Amino acid sequence: EAQMVESGGGLVQPGGSLRLSCAVSGFDYSVFWMSWVRQAPGKGLEWVANIQQEGGSVTYYVDSVKGRFTISRDNAKGALYLQMDSLRVEDTAVYYCARVRSCTRNNCYFYYFDVWGKGTTVIVSS
Amino acid sequence: EIVVTQSPGTLSLSPGERATLSCRASQSVNNNYLVWYQQRPGQAPRLLIYGASSRATGIPDRFSGSGSGKDFTLTISRLEPEDSAVYYCQQYGSSPITFGQGTRLEIK
Repeated sequence: EAQMVESGGGLVQPGGSLRLSCAVSGFDYSVFWMSWVRQAPGKGLEWVANIQQEGGSVTYYVDSVKGRFTISRDNAKGALYLQMDSLRVEDTAVYYCARVRSCTRNNCYFYYFDVWGKGTTVIVSS
Repeated sequence: EIVVTQSPGTLSLSPGERATLSCRASQSVNNNYLVWYQQRPGQAPRLLIYGASSRATGIPDRFSGSGSGKDFTLTISRLEPEDSAVYYCQQYGSSPITFGQGTRLEIK
């Protein structure tokens, strides 16, 4: 059974940094594009970032996090990461890692999420 | 960007009844690339339906999706208490993908 478990969330001051991790098991992780999706308190879902399967050389970000967040992966460890720098109050959310479906090998524009982790909470506050 | 609007905002029904949830896009959704997710309180979203009408693995046949173009529907027959959740639709026919704001289903 495919499973994903996030960690690394916490309370951080504005301008600070956090690194989220997602441990993946139960499927061949290296062949899937992966994403981070977030949900602010009481709000809906917002896609944050995608990373290509295998080497992960292609990445995409929502405009609001470009230049501040970096998605990466370690296929040998079955791990997905999100390095979050220059955090803002509006980044406060539950962050989910998610498996992506419907991408092609080299790009990912039309996609959805078929497996989700339970999420980790990030609170940005002074 | 395609705007996705869900209605109603909240739906309150009794066990055994049928729920009909609506998802309307501001433009036609290419290839009927629309999914539905269920999010129970305190839990992660779960994929229910992809491609507008195909059930995801392990989803009971009480859940069905229909529609095309701009208008899509999630129908849940024979409601059970565990169906109490927020339901989101998401289009993936155009970039960027966009989510609806959700419909809260309460089981009386």
